[in-house]
This record gives sequence, structure tokens and C-alpha cells, in this order.
Amino acid sequence: GAGVSQSPSNKVTEKGKDVELRCDPISGHTALYWYRQSLGQGLEFLIYFQGNSAPDKSGLPSDRFSAERTGGSVSTLTIQRTQQEDSAVYLCASSQPRPETQYFGPGTRLLVL
Amino acid sequence: GIQVEQSPPDLILQEGANSTLRCNFSDSVNNLQWFHQNPWGQLINLFYIPSGTKQNGRLSATTVATERYSLLYISSSQTTDSGVYFCAASGSARQLTFGSGTQLTVLP
Repeated sequence: GAGVSQSPSNKVTEKGKDVELRCDPISGHTALYWYRQSLGQGLEFLIYFQGNSAPDKSGLPSDRFSAERTGGSVSTLTIQRTQQEDSAVYLCASSQPRPETQYFGPGTRLLVL
Repeated sequence: GIQVEQSPPDLILQEGANSTLRCNFSDSVNNLQWFHQNPWGQLINLFYIPSGTKQNGRLSATTVATERYSLLYISSSQTTDSGVYFCAASGSARQLTFGSGTQLTVLP
């Protein structure tokens, strides 16, 4: 079956611009997660959705980052006024309630010039 | 939150050799997963193993939850096994905390 998909695959933007990253989870998966992977910080958690609500936003690095999920499916991560330190690979994962195996998408590689 | 440590950080093997990767975690876990990150950056699920032992072909994993560690065994390694292996765990929170990974290089 189809896995987690993310778009775009790559994004190059200029400092100060806003970007939107999209995640389509596996059909039927109620939980959705955003992580990012950067050279200096490894893999770090950003935000978690259960259905359309986000009980845990503790990993969002600043108020420039926001995310939403609609219809219990697609999620969008928005970064406003991008900075060079936002350059990273943004990964999305989804899971069922049981077992909680998280399946990852291919990621969006963001480069802020 | 939970802390995850992996060892060794780097491992170089000759094709055909066996290896063991270790993951230590600081608290009881509800979820523990092993991933292989391929050269294109995709995280491939290997095992969901918060406790017990599982095997899949040349790979097997064991988690001893009471002693807070997990082991990933790779037997008869192949060049295609090269890449970074991550252990990730979650406790009461749902999100995974990742270790820093083991960079495996299998030489022909």
C-alpha cells in the first residue's frame, strides 16, 4: 500500500520568505508527527497530532513554526520568515494507535539561502 | 524526557561479517524502533521492539526492557547494509527520541 508522502521533495528559498511543507500520512493512521534532521542537531521532534488536534507542540523551535492537520489526514508545516538555521530535512511520520510503529516519509530538504 | 544512546558511533566491516549495534535508554519505554537510513535519507523501519526478540532474515533485534537496552544484530553483512542505523524510543510521550546513530560501512 501507499506509504507516507511529502511534498515538495526539495525546497530552496530566500531568507525571510515563508514556506509550506505538506505531509500525506498512511490512510487510516490517526497519529501524525513532524521531525527534522539537521547536521548539528540530529533527528529532533517538532510536533505531534492525534486526529486534528496537537496535544504536543513542545518541539517547535520558535513561534515562526506552525502546523495544522485537517480532516484527520493531510498536515501542513509552515515556517514564516525563514532563517538559514531552518535549513534541514523535515520528516513526517504516521502511526496507528496500536502498535505505535511510526512510518516515515521521504522528507523535504529545505535550504534557506 | 527519555535519553537514547547508541554505540558504536562508527563501524567498518568486511562483507560477510557479523555485527552488533547497541542502544541504551534512560527510562521505561512504550515504543522502541530500529531504523536504517539509506543513502537517499529515507528512514526504513527495521523493527518495532519495545520488548522481546524478533528476527527478519539476516537481521534480528532484542530488547531487554528491565535493563533498558536493545541490540540489533546483522549477520553475513552485505554492502547494501551500509548506512546509518538509528534507535528511537518513546516513554509516556508519543514522540520518538532518536539516538545519534551508528554509521555502518560494509566493504566488498
